[in-house]
Amino acid sequence: DAGITQSPRHKVTETGTPVTLRCHQTENHRYMYWYRQDPGHGLRLIHYSYGVKDTDKGEVSDGYSVSRSKTEDFLLTLESATSSQTSVYFCAISVLLAGPNEQFFGPGTRLTVL
Amino acid sequence: QQPVQSPQAVILREGEDAVINCSSSKALYSVHWYRQKHGEAPVFLMILLKGGEQKGHDKISASFNEKKQQSSLYLTASQLSYSGTYFCGITSNNAGNMLTFGGGTRLMVKP
Repeated sequence: DAGITQSPRHKVTETGTPVTLRCHQTENHRYMYWYRQDPGHGLRLIHYSYGVKDTDKGEVSDGYSVSRSKTEDFLLTLESATSSQTSVYFCAISVLLAGPNEQFFGPGTRLTVL
Repeated sequence: QQPVQSPQAVILREGEDAVINCSSSKALYSVHWYRQKHGEAPVFLMILLKGGEQKGHDKISASFNEKKQQSSLYLTASQLSYSGTYFCGITSNNAGNMLTFGGGTRLMVKP
C-alpha cells in the first residue's frame, strides 16, 4: 500500500463548471502522475510532476491543469468541464527518483460531466 | 504512439495457459505490465528493461524482444484470480517513467 488517496471518489457535474480532483500521498514520493482511463484507450497520461511546483504535460493535457504546492498533494483541475472529460481518473506515484520503475495507483475518481 | 495489445480478449478454463502480446512501433526501452480488476486500480506485475532477461514470478512471466519491439506476458496454469484486464505500458528511453499504455487485454478464467 503506497498510501495514495483520491478525492472525491465520485463526482457528477455540469458542462462548463470547474472541477478539481485531489491526489494525496503519505510517503513523500517525488514523482506523481494523473491518468484518465476510457474504454478501448487504456490509461493515458494527462500531466505529471517531478517535485514541488515542477510539472509537465502528458499526451492528453488539453483542457487540464495541475498544481503541486506540497510534496504530498497533486491537484488536477478541469477549468471548464466538457462531456468528453467524463472518465475515470487515476493518480499514481513512482517510488524511485528517476528511470523506469513501477507505479502505484490510487483508487480512482469517477467523473461524469452532464 | 500507443502500443498494440493482442488479443483484445481471451477466455480460459482454469489450468489453461495464455499469452498476451504488446507491440510497439517505436523502439522500446522498458515494458511494464499491470493487471486491473473491474472497478479497481491497476496493480503492477513486472517491468522488463532493454537488455534485461525474461522475468517472472509464480506462474506469470514475461519476455522482451528488442528486435521485434515486442513484449509477451505468459500466464501458465491459470487460476480464477488471474481474471482481469492486462495492460502493457512502455517507455522509449531511460529519461523518465512516463508510460504509454496499450488498450488492454481482457482475460476471463472460468472454473
